[in-house]
Amino acid sequence: SQQGEEDPQALSIQEGENATMNCSYKTSINNLQWYRQNSGRGLVHLILIRSNEREKHSGRLRVTLDTSKKSSSLLITASRAADTASYFCATGITGNQFYFGTGTSLTVIP
Amino acid sequence: GAVVSQHPSWVICKSGTSVKIECRSLDFQATTMFWYRQFPKQSLMLMATSNEGSKATYEQGVEKDKFLINHASLTLSTLTVTSAHPEDSSFYICSARGGTAIYSNQPQHFGDGTRLSIL
Repeated sequence: SQQGEEDPQALSIQEGENATMNCSYKTSINNLQWYRQNSGRGLVHLILIRSNEREKHSGRLRVTLDTSKKSSSLLITASRAADTASYFCATGITGNQFYFGTGTSLTVIP
Repeated sequence: GAVVSQHPSWVICKSGTSVKIECRSLDFQATTMFWYRQFPKQSLMLMATSNEGSKATYEQGVEKDKFLINHASLTLSTLTVTSAHPEDSSFYICSARGGTAIYSNQPQHFGDGTRLSIL
C-alpha cells in the first residue's frame, strides 16, 4: 500500500500546549500536504510543502519535510480547543494520485 | 475561493438502488477530481481519479462497474454507486484540483462528503 502512516494515532493535550504529529511514507513524492477534518465533514487544506522544501510556516502551523527519511511533521503551536480534529498527511506522488496517511486524532482540552 | 460543493450530504436507500453523488467546483476549473471512501475513524481511501473529458483511473480493488464516475465538465464530476448494497454504506468524499491534469502542486479542495446508508 502506498498509504502513509501517522503517529501518534491519538493525541490529547491541554490548551496552550504544542501538538506534534508525524507522517511517514514509502514512495518518492512531489509534494506533501496536511489536511484537517472535523468529525463527519470534508477535509480542509492546511499547508503544502514541495519535495525540494524542508520547512514551511503558516500562522501557528509549522511543517517540516525530510525526504531522506521519507517523513514529515506538523507542529501546531499554542493549541486551542477549536484545533480538536483529525489531521491527515497526503502524499502527492509522480503522476496524478494522492495517498492519505492513517491520521492523528487531536483533542485539545480547554 | 476554491469551494467544492458535494450533494447530497446524506442518503438512505434500499438495497439494490443506484445512488448518484455530485461534486461541483463552484469558483474554479477542476481539471482533476478525486473520489475517496472513508470508514468510521479511518483514513481516506482513494477510489479513483478523473480528468475532465477522460475516463476515470480506478485504484486497485475498486470495481469500475460498481462505482461509475463521470467528469464531463470542468466543474462537475459524478459518482454513481450502482445496485448499492449494505456493504457499500460509507462516507464518500470528493475533491477537486486545478492546474495541469498530469501534475500539479496545487492543493485539493474537498467537498463536505456524502454519508451513504444502504438498508
